[in-house]
Amino acid sequence: DQQVKQNSPSLSVQEGRISILNCDYTNSMFDYFLWYKKYPAEGPTFLISISSIKDKNEDGRFTVFLNKSAKHLSLHIVPSQPGDSAVYFCAASVPSNTGKLIFGQGTTLQVKP
Amino acid sequence: SQTIHQWPATLVQPVGSPLSLECTVEGTSNPNLYWYRQAAGRGLQLLFYSVGIGQISSEVPQNLSASRPQDRQFILSSKKLLLSDSGFYLCAWSVKGAGAANYGYTFGSGTRLTVV
Repeated sequence: DQQVKQNSPSLSVQEGRISILNCDYTNSMFDYFLWYKKYPAEGPTFLISISSIKDKNEDGRFTVFLNKSAKHLSLHIVPSQPGDSAVYFCAASVPSNTGKLIFGQGTTLQVKP
Repeated sequence: SQTIHQWPATLVQPVGSPLSLECTVEGTSNPNLYWYRQAAGRGLQLLFYSVGIGQISSEVPQNLSASRPQDRQFILSSKKLLLSDSGFYLCAWSVKGAGAANYGYTFGSGTRLTVV
């Protein structure tokens, strides 16, 4: 079963506008949620994370919002820049010594100049 | 500083041939290690993880195996490749306990495997 879902495979926004990427999850035991950014033929790189006890975390142009009752999180990028064009993965952490992360399918963001 | 090395970057192999992908981590000890695969048009699927030398856990039944002969070395293998093994393979490591609280994983640069 898909415990972490990103239902939008792609998103296109204009430079300077807001990009909103969404992610849904089913397991209420996840303790951290993370966003990764991936360029073609490269490994994903960590972007931002949020603890399950928080509802917002901000880092520069990137803000992650967590709605635990809806089991939903979102990543806001403001303002969007062409260099933000990449695949964005949402991931959730299972609390254990294994450090396992469950990833969503990814959303391809295209920021048009 | 910690670094992760993964090779080769690209690989084209015939069906039925063996496979060996290697991943090494530097600058840390006793990391958790992971192999992920990104198939075409799909997300990141966890294949194997390891919390210590010789300790391998498999997440999905498949044609692949993993081994951890040394603390910072993780190897992905297959005796006979299938067409369905094509994909982008990623190795990653994390700090035990605090990984998800800080950066989660650090990924290698990946190996593009094409089985023909």
